[in-house]
This record gives sequence, structure tokens and C-alpha cells, in this order.
Amino acid sequence: SQQGEEDPQALSIQEGENATMNCSYKTSINNLQWYRQNSGRGLVHLILIRSNEREKHSGRLRVTLDTSKKSSSLLITASRAADTASYFCVHSGGYQKVTFGIGTKLQVIP
Amino acid sequence: NAGVTQTPKFQVLKTGQSMTLQCAQDMNHNSMYWYRQDPGMGLRLIYYSASEGTTDKGEVPNGYNVSRLNKREFSLRLESAAPSQTSVYFCASSLGRSYNSPLHFGNGTRLTVT
Repeated sequence: SQQGEEDPQALSIQEGENATMNCSYKTSINNLQWYRQNSGRGLVHLILIRSNEREKHSGRLRVTLDTSKKSSSLLITASRAADTASYFCVHSGGYQKVTFGIGTKLQVIP
Repeated sequence: NAGVTQTPKFQVLKTGQSMTLQCAQDMNHNSMYWYRQDPGMGLRLIYYSASEGTTDKGEVPNGYNVSRLNKREFSLRLESAAPSQTSVYFCASSLGRSYNSPLHFGNGTRLTVT
């Protein structure tokens, strides 16, 4: 399986705080991707980090990758109510059958 | 840009009925996918099509068939619906193979089988 394991499964924070979600995996990877899913909607791609990269930024998002620990983290800074969603990590060692875990459910309280 | 469009948005079927879920993308993507999402289980891949004219099984293909009608359209058929197929179905597409290209998702079809 190519699914990641997200931790924690649920996270509740106040608006303006930072949110950190973690992802662990078991096999070697080519890259790792993070997705967001708002309630009742499809998933939206957030960021892709390649195995030779350690950190990547996109707006208020920061993703790190530690291939020695087989883990990645997603940091959302200065969270907003609109960030309330489920977040998924997906990794691949080069297989087409990429699958998703159950994600981290983030609630940002206004 | 519409992106990935799924129809219908909602459907209720009786056990044994058949139906086809439609998916179309307007991004000129090569690969297309069907997933199902069930509470507590994440998304599971049913079938995918790496390119026009090819289809392959994913994790949970039993009870489903697919057709890659052309580059834009990828349909999912339930020949004889069962209550275990109650789920939210998502279609997705990617420019290249999913492990190197972001997936673009539709907004899902909510299917209930009674």
C-alpha cells in the first residue's frame, strides 16, 4: 500500500494559531503529496515535495520531509476558519495505484 | 474552467438496479481514476485509466466496470447495486501518472443503495 498514516486523526485549534499535522510511511518514496478536503467536496492538491527536497513552502503552508525517519509534516501558519478540513498525505515509490489514508480532521475555531 | 465534472451528484438505488456514474475533465489530462470514500476508511481506488484506451483495476474493483470513452470521459458502472456499494464516489484526473502529477478531483457522487 502507498497510503500515509496521518497523525493526529483530529485537531482543534483557535483561529490564528498554527496547525501541525504529521505523516509517516513505510517504503522508499519518489515524492509525497498533501491534499485538503473540505466537507462535502472533492480533494484539492496542496503541495508536492520530492524525495530530494527537505522543505517546501506555499503561502501559509510549510511542508517538511525527513526520508531518514520516513515522515513528513504539514504546518499551516496563522490558521483561519476556512482551513477547517481534512488533510491527507499520499506518497509514492513510483506506482500508479496511489491511495489515501483516513487523514487528519482539522477544526479551526473562530 | 470546469475541471472535473461528475454526474449525478446524488443517487438512490434499490438493490439489484444498475447505473452509470459519469465523469468528464476538460484539462486534457491523460490519466483518470475512480475512488470511493467511506467513513473511517479514506479513499480507495476502484479503477484507473493511465491513458486513453487502457483501464486497470485498483484496490476494490469487484462489482464495478469502467469505460474510458475518450480522453475526456471515464464512466463507472454498477451492474447490480448492493448496499455495500453505498458510498461517495470521486472521479479524478492527472496530467501524468498519479505518483508524479497532482490529482484533480470532482465533487463526488453520493450513492445510497437500499
